[in-house]
Amino acid sequence: SAVISQKPSRDICQRGTSLTIQCQVDSQVTMMFWYRQQPGQSLTLIATANQGSEATYESGFVIDKFPISRPNLTFSTLTVSNMSPEDSSIYLCSVRTGGYEQYFGPGTRLTVT
Amino acid sequence: DQQVKQNSPSLSVQEGRISILNCDYTNSMFDYFLWYKKYPAEGPTFLISISSIKDKNEDGRFTVFLNKSAKHLSLHIVPSQPGDSAVYFCAASAGNQFYFGTGTSLTVIP
Repeated sequence: SAVISQKPSRDICQRGTSLTIQCQVDSQVTMMFWYRQQPGQSLTLIATANQGSEATYESGFVIDKFPISRPNLTFSTLTVSNMSPEDSSIYLCSVRTGGYEQYFGPGTRLTVT
Repeated sequence: DQQVKQNSPSLSVQEGRISILNCDYTNSMFDYFLWYKKYPAEGPTFLISISSIKDKNEDGRFTVFLNKSAKHLSLHIVPSQPGDSAVYFCAASAGNQFYFGTGTSLTVIP
């Protein structure tokens, strides 16, 4: 398994601003992912954070809106840029340690006003 | 297009009885299925999984059943305990991609 922490745990932000969410894992992992869970919705994959290369984004998500960094095998950041109220969501970092199981961080609850 | 569906948004069960949570999927390429449990203000935690080559996997009070022909899986919790009250997500995997259902909120009544 893996222990994952995220910062901040929650934030309230003004429309038009940006927020960077940090994800720290207690061990080196190859695969890190960023998910979003909007109210009443399932977890939706935003992107796969690749160490040493650009993130791979899913359909409907673009780098300009959700830039991701992955400087090493234990850390990643997701930035939510130029926020609007529609970005209000829970953002979750996730890792896969080698098997099929994925482990999730506690999430960052973002509210955009 | 929702490839993994949990059609029951909520379920209430008496303590000690069986809880059955259902999940349907559409993609026959999925080869691994998982259940996650989520408490409020926490991330999902892995609960139990099953490979497509099996039809049942058991871990203590939790059993997952897979019916490939019906593209259906279910999670059985028996006996249910109040601490099981949470949102349960099913997920299906094909390669590196995971697809999640919308979750079922389980309430176990003492």
